[in-house]
Amino acid sequence: AQSVSQHNHHVILSEAASLELGCNYSYGGTVNLFWYVQYPGQHLQLLLKYFSGDPLVKGIKGFEAEFIKSKFSFNLRKPSVQWSDTAEYFCAGYGNNRLAFGKGNQVVVIP
Amino acid sequence: DVKVTQSSRYLVKRTGEKVFLECVQDMDHENMFWYRQDPGLGLRLIYFSYDVKMKEKGDIPEGYSVSREKKERFSLILESASTNQTSMYLCASSTFLRGRPEHTDTQYFGPGTRLTVL
Repeated sequence: AQSVSQHNHHVILSEAASLELGCNYSYGGTVNLFWYVQYPGQHLQLLLKYFSGDPLVKGIKGFEAEFIKSKFSFNLRKPSVQWSDTAEYFCAGYGNNRLAFGKGNQVVVIP
Repeated sequence: DVKVTQSSRYLVKRTGEKVFLECVQDMDHENMFWYRQDPGLGLRLIYFSYDVKMKEKGDIPEGYSVSREKKERFSLILESASTNQTSMYLCASSTFLRGRPEHTDTQYFGPGTRLTVL
């Protein structure tokens, strides 16, 4: 079965700093990749997704992610974070008829 | 907008009780899922369903069962609640892309039910 791994579970950074969250998946077949975000007290919601085509995908709120097939990676980036980006971020990969989630990254942005 | 609703935001039950968690979606999605979310463990799939009366085990089905009698409703059942089932339970729904199960579109999540078993 496929799995998704995320590193550096807790990330603390200041406003205007750049953010990069790593995501690696272990599935060689057709894969759909997602980043979800959960703001404090809110639903999980989609940030961005990759199915095919341009490996650099742009999502909401200035986030982007790059699919690198050779590295089995789908890292999330934002060049300049804001306090409102404080949230938990989950990478997910769909393959073999199921969606697997990483363990999440808790991101705290200090004003 | 897709709406996924869950019957309770907070629930407190006693060990051994039978617990029902209900989930309803209003977008005619084929697929519905139940996850539990625990700190440091991310989301773990309990059960999912691709069609009415159809169910498949996820990664942690032990101690749970599900029911899908109607397309819009997916119920999670804890036959005999235990303290290690204290958790946040999330329901989600999605549709297939191009009608093919190997391509799923975005999953839409409900607000979650925080279950405490005493």
